[in-house]
Amino acid sequence: QLQLQESGPGLVKPSETLSLTCTVSGGSISSTNYYWGWIRQPPGKGLEWTGIIYYSGSSYHNPSLKSRVTISVDTSKNQFSLRLSSVTAADTAVYYCARLVRSGSYYDYWGQGTLVTVSS
Amino acid sequence: QSALTQPASVSGSPGQSITLSCTGTSSDVGSYNLVSWYQQHPGKAPKFMIYEGSKRPSGVSNRFSGSKSGNTASLTISGLQAEDEADYYCCSFVGSNTWVFGGGTKLTVL
Repeated sequence: QLQLQESGPGLVKPSETLSLTCTVSGGSISSTNYYWGWIRQPPGKGLEWTGIIYYSGSSYHNPSLKSRVTISVDTSKNQFSLRLSSVTAADTAVYYCARLVRSGSYYDYWGQGTLVTVSS
Repeated sequence: QSALTQPASVSGSPGQSITLSCTGTSSDVGSYNLVSWYQQHPGKAPKFMIYEGSKRPSGVSNRFSGSKSGNTASLTISGLQAEDEADYYCCSFVGSNTWVFGGGTKLTVL
């Protein structure tokens, strides 16, 4: 059974960089059939597509985040990561990592989510 | 990249059928048959219910069905049950390796 687990600081100061890692177990991140993605959800609000990465390192992100977001992959550790720079309170959210099936464009496995609060 | 439009709330009584809508544009929902639907209970991660507009993964009740007409995708839940009370989100591929979610619909079972 595939499992994804987010990890990282739960509190980040304004203007600093948010860093999260998703560890994948029970399957290989190097499969050609999937992208690996981040979705965030501000408290009490809806889901926001943040970005995805392929095992080769090709990544794509939400244009609204401009150049603040970086998604990377470490196939040796079966992990992928999210970095979001210059954070503000608006970046406070539950961040989910999930697997995206390329052929059908849907997220079939999700992590439990981790709350990141931006506050001084 | 604007969020897909979903009604904020929908309600129904047990046993009824309800339909949740997800409206996009000719550039997203209308162009691709790649809409997926997710159910999210409070404090939980989303669970995928429908993919490619109308396909149901194994393990999801056949009370859930999806369809699309033009720029609007729909999720129909028949024989409404108390456990169906949750938030529902649609998601569509919009090209250039990007996706967009809808704003979500809160389903209340009366």
